[in-house]
Amino acid sequence: DMKVTQMPRYLIKRMGENVLLECGQDMSHETMYWYRQDPGLGLQLIYISYDVDSNSEGDIPKGYRVSRKKREHFSLILDSAKTNQTSVYFCASTTGNSDYTFGSGTRLLVI
Amino acid sequence: QQKVQQSPESLIVPEGGMASLNCTFSDRNSQYFWWYRQHSGEGPKALMSIFSNGDKKEGRFTAHLNKASLYVSLHIKDSQPSDSALYFCAEYQGGRALIFGTGTTVSVSP
Repeated sequence: DMKVTQMPRYLIKRMGENVLLECGQDMSHETMYWYRQDPGLGLQLIYISYDVDSNSEGDIPKGYRVSRKKREHFSLILDSAKTNQTSVYFCASTTGNSDYTFGSGTRLLVI
Repeated sequence: QQKVQQSPESLIVPEGGMASLNCTFSDRNSQYFWWYRQHSGEGPKALMSIFSNGDKKEGRFTAHLNKASLYVSLHIKDSQPSDSALYFCAEYQGGRALIFGTGTTVSVSP
């Protein structure tokens, strides 16, 4: 069964702490994404990765960085988390068309 | 930044009724369009895509596209409780990423 797995599912961090969100996929998809979801705003694109070490900023990259050292693994890093980064974060992957497979999300609370 | 606007924000439909969701987009260069559905606590899942003007039917779901009017819609016939979810439309221009709308929450009342 094709899957995108996100860890952890829930996370509480204090303002100023570093946060690591992890995403894995078992489909050998080249392209992966990080989105955040906030009520009334839909899904906003943070970063795109076209393959290993080939990353591109999305629409709201400020305050985030990413790492992709293996095709199946894509990480989102928040250096010094802020309260306005409280959100639900989704990772997705695709073969290159627009049929995305999403993970179940990581619910991040920054206090 | 392209914008994709959805209406209504929320919708209550009786079981067995028809739900109609609307979406307007801003770029005539968009290649095709998707509808995604998200149940509570889960990630979005692709429902159907449409890239030609007109209607496309898949089971109880019909998507309609009018590129000249920058408009796409989704109609759910014979709504079931399992259709209660958050629905997103999304546009794709190719080579980058899907741009998602703001979402419509559908609640099917028994």
